[in-house]
Amino acid sequence: AQSVTQPDIHITVSEGASLELRCNYSYGATPYLFWYVQSPGQGLQLLLKYFSGDTLVQGIKGFEAEFKRSQSSFNLRKPSVHWSDAVEYFCAVGALNNAGNMLTFGGGTRLMVKP
Amino acid sequence: DVKVTQSSRYLVKRTGEKVFLECVQDMDHENMFWYRQDPGLGLRLIYFSYDVKMKEKGDIPEGYSVSREKKERFSLILESASTNQTSMYLCATLGGLAANEQFFGPGTRLTVL
Repeated sequence: AQSVTQPDIHITVSEGASLELRCNYSYGATPYLFWYVQSPGQGLQLLLKYFSGDTLVQGIKGFEAEFKRSQSSFNLRKPSVHWSDAVEYFCAVGALNNAGNMLTFGGGTRLMVKP
Repeated sequence: DVKVTQSSRYLVKRTGEKVFLECVQDMDHENMFWYRQDPGLGLRLIYFSYDVKMKEKGDIPEGYSVSREKKERFSLILESASTNQTSMYLCATLGGLAANEQFFGPGTRLTVL
């Protein structure tokens, strides 16, 4: 069975600084990997996903993530953080079965942005 | 745009009550999911359905049941609500190119007193 670990429950960065959120996964085959974002009281919105090909994927809102098979990681990055990025981020790994893409989520990382 | 709606944003119920959470999607997706979200635990899958009247247990089905009578509607049922079912409940559908993206509703925050 697959699993996802987000080691940082909370992260605080200054506005304009760079950001990296860590995600490590465990899965026996080539994973499908996702980053979702959740604003307070809202559902999840997809930021980006990796299925195959280029290991550096670009997402919405200036985010990118890099798949590193040797490290079983899929870290999320942004070069310059904005105050509106202060929400919660979830990494997920997907596995295909008869219901399509089944996701296993990490525990989430809440980002706080200092002015 | 895919639209996934949930019948209530906030719900307060008493221990022992029967609770229905409704989810409706407008994109004709076959696969639908119910998750619960708790701080530090991320999202955990309760049940999913890959067709009308078809359902399968997820990782934490105990205390829950589901109903899928129509393709667009997927209901989560708490037969006898308990305080440990106080949580945020999220519904999702599966679609997108190659059917590999899950689309989420806004969530229902359920409090059981």
